[in-house]
Amino acid sequence: GAVVSQHPSRVICKSGTSVKIECRSLDFQATTMFWYRQFPKKSLMLMATSNEGSKATYEQGVEKDKFLINHASLTLSTLTVTSAHPEDSSFYICSADPYGTLYEQYFGPGTRLTVT
Amino acid sequence: ELKVEQNPLFLSMQEGKNYTIYCNYSTTSDRLYWYRQDPGKSLESLFVLLSNGAVKQEGRLMASLDTKARLSTLHITAAVHDLSATYFCAVDIGGSQGNLIFGKGTKLSVKP
Repeated sequence: GAVVSQHPSRVICKSGTSVKIECRSLDFQATTMFWYRQFPKKSLMLMATSNEGSKATYEQGVEKDKFLINHASLTLSTLTVTSAHPEDSSFYICSADPYGTLYEQYFGPGTRLTVT
Repeated sequence: ELKVEQNPLFLSMQEGKNYTIYCNYSTTSDRLYWYRQDPGKSLESLFVLLSNGAVKQEGRLMASLDTKARLSTLHITAAVHDLSATYFCAVDIGGSQGNLIFGKGTKLSVKP
C-alpha cells in the first residue's frame, strides 16, 4: 500500500514552453501532497505544499506563478512549470501522507525535467 | 533558520566494517526520518523516529533519535555492497503541514 506515482518519469522540453507533471496517490486519498526539487548531487528542497480544494502553500523563494500547482482531487496533484528555462532543469519529486496524520510521507518515483 | 546537518557527506567503507552517519538539527522536533536514494531514483523510506530515545533496526541498519541533543544516528553494521546509496535524514518542522527539511545527504560507497 501507500504507492505514489508520477508522470512522466522523464521529460525534455524547449525553453519557453510549459510542462505538466502529475502526482497520483494510487491506493489512498491524500488531502495534502508535497512537491520537492532536487538538483544533481544535492538534497531535496520543499517547493510547495499542495492542498486539495485550496491554494497551494509555497516556500519562500519559489515563484507561484512559475510553478503552478493544482490539487484537483484527493488522488491527484499537478505541478506545471510555466515558461520553462534551462535553470528549471531538475528532478521533481512529489510525496503524500497516506494517513493524514503527518506520520510519514511516501515519495513518488520522481520526474526528471530537462529544458533545452 | 532550521538547519539539518549530516556528516559525513561522503563515506567510503569496506565490506564488513561498521560506521555511523550523524544527523544534527537546529530546532526542536520530535519527528525524524531516514531515507535511502539510489542514483536516478526517488526516496525509499527507511526509518521513522517519533520520540526521544527511539531506536529502530532493519537488517544492517539501525537508527536512533536523541531529541534533547537534536541528534540522530544511522549505524551501519558489517556493511555490504548493496548498501551503497545516498542516505538522507529529514526533520519534520511541525505545524499543520508535514514539512520536511532534508539534510544534504551522505553518499555511501561500500567496496569489496
